[in-house]
Amino acid sequence: KAGVTQTPRYLIKTRGQQVTLSCSPISGHRSVSWYQQTPGQGLQFLFEYFSETQRNKGNFPGRFSGRQFSNSRSEMNVSTLELGDSALYLCASSDAGTGGEKLFFGSGTQLSVL
Amino acid sequence: DQQVKQNSPSLSVQEGRISILNCDYTNSMFDYFLWYKKYPAEGPTFLISISSIKDKNEDGRFTVFLNKSAKHLSLHIVPSQPGDSAVYFCAALNNAGNMLTFGGGTRLMVKP
Repeated sequence: KAGVTQTPRYLIKTRGQQVTLSCSPISGHRSVSWYQQTPGQGLQFLFEYFSETQRNKGNFPGRFSGRQFSNSRSEMNVSTLELGDSALYLCASSDAGTGGEKLFFGSGTQLSVL
Repeated sequence: DQQVKQNSPSLSVQEGRISILNCDYTNSMFDYFLWYKKYPAEGPTFLISISSIKDKNEDGRFTVFLNKSAKHLSLHIVPSQPGDSAVYFCAALNNAGNMLTFGGGTRLMVKP
């Protein structure tokens, strides 16, 4: 099986712009989660989608949004970019219908906001 | 408020010795714990997990211990190998959802 695929790998944007990141989960996985990793902050949960519905949401401002399509692929969008949004954005998929199972992560999209 | 903490940002160990990585949590609703390993420019990969009904889980060189009363878990790697050098994250899950709460990570360096 192919792993979790995230595109693009690297992205450079300027303040005020918006960005869309894409994630293709492992085939058959219906849950997709997004995490932000910044130096010293570990991985912070953004949101989780299951069968096209947002099931959980972390403590991020409304500028961060996401969606999931019927084929389980997911996108996240960040509007009005700020310098502090520079981070590695990781997508993870799971075949779990409920919690407790391990996540499979993609390699991430490194976003730099100038 | 960090619900999962890894108080040691880095750890250096000699090859062949034991590596012990520690993790503390505050939320008593957490009932499942996982360890992930992360190499630079790659996503985290699952290593080992433990349910709160157990106090130990072993998989080859990796053993995770859980002390519920102390809200503490640890990952033991024996023997440590240079290829184990990576950042290790502990994560916790409660039965209310599918959201993992991660610690800040510990960078392990295993010296040959």
